[in-house]
Amino acid sequence: EVQLVQSGAEVKKPGESLKISCKGSGYSFTSYWIGWVRQMPGKGLEWMGIIYPGDSDTRYSPSFQGQVTISADKSISTAYLQWSSLKASDTAMYYCARLGYSYGYPYYFDYWGQGTLVTVSS
Amino acid sequence: EIVLTQSPATLSLSPGERATLSCRASQSVSSYLAWYQQKPGQAPRLLIYDASNRATGIPARFSGSGSGTDFTLTISSLEPEDFAVYYCQQRSNSLYTFGQGTKLEIK
Repeated sequence: EVQLVQSGAEVKKPGESLKISCKGSGYSFTSYWIGWVRQMPGKGLEWMGIIYPGDSDTRYSPSFQGQVTISADKSISTAYLQWSSLKASDTAMYYCARLGYSYGYPYYFDYWGQGTLVTVSS
Repeated sequence: EIVLTQSPATLSLSPGERATLSCRASQSVSSYLAWYQQKPGQAPRLLIYDASNRATGIPARFSGSGSGTDFTLTISSLEPEDFAVYYCQQRSNSLYTFGQGTKLEIK
């Protein structure tokens, strides 16, 4: 059974750093891209970026380029999303999701983690 | 960047009725269009990929159609558990975007 298990909720202050995780199991972690999706309170889904754990090839949404860092450790089947200096506007639910392939391209998000709620408040 | 526009923003229907949700792309995405369902407090769930293929375990009352710029998600006969928010999503040139969502609510 494919599973993505994310780390727990975080409460941080503005300016602090943070790294949240997403551990995959039940499939070949190095053969599928993992994406990160933000959902701000009461709002829709926003794609942040994707990573291929096999070689750490990473692509970012222009909206999030330079704002976050996506990484992966294939030895422990875990992907990460990190911030160096959080802002109150980073308060949101963050989901990781595996990308399924269509016509050879990573395209749709077929399995999702349960989400990690990040709250940034002074 | 390709923009996906969903309509209506809110759809009020009763159980047993047919629901038709629309997603329009700002330029052609061929058939690279997926649909998701999200219930309160839950992660999104993949319903449809490649515009018309149901994901594993998705009931037959859900169907998708369209290609190019205009797509439709149809729920043939609404069940109580179908009332949720629905999103479309596309991929183009390694960039991914979601529509803003359609809330399907009980009338």
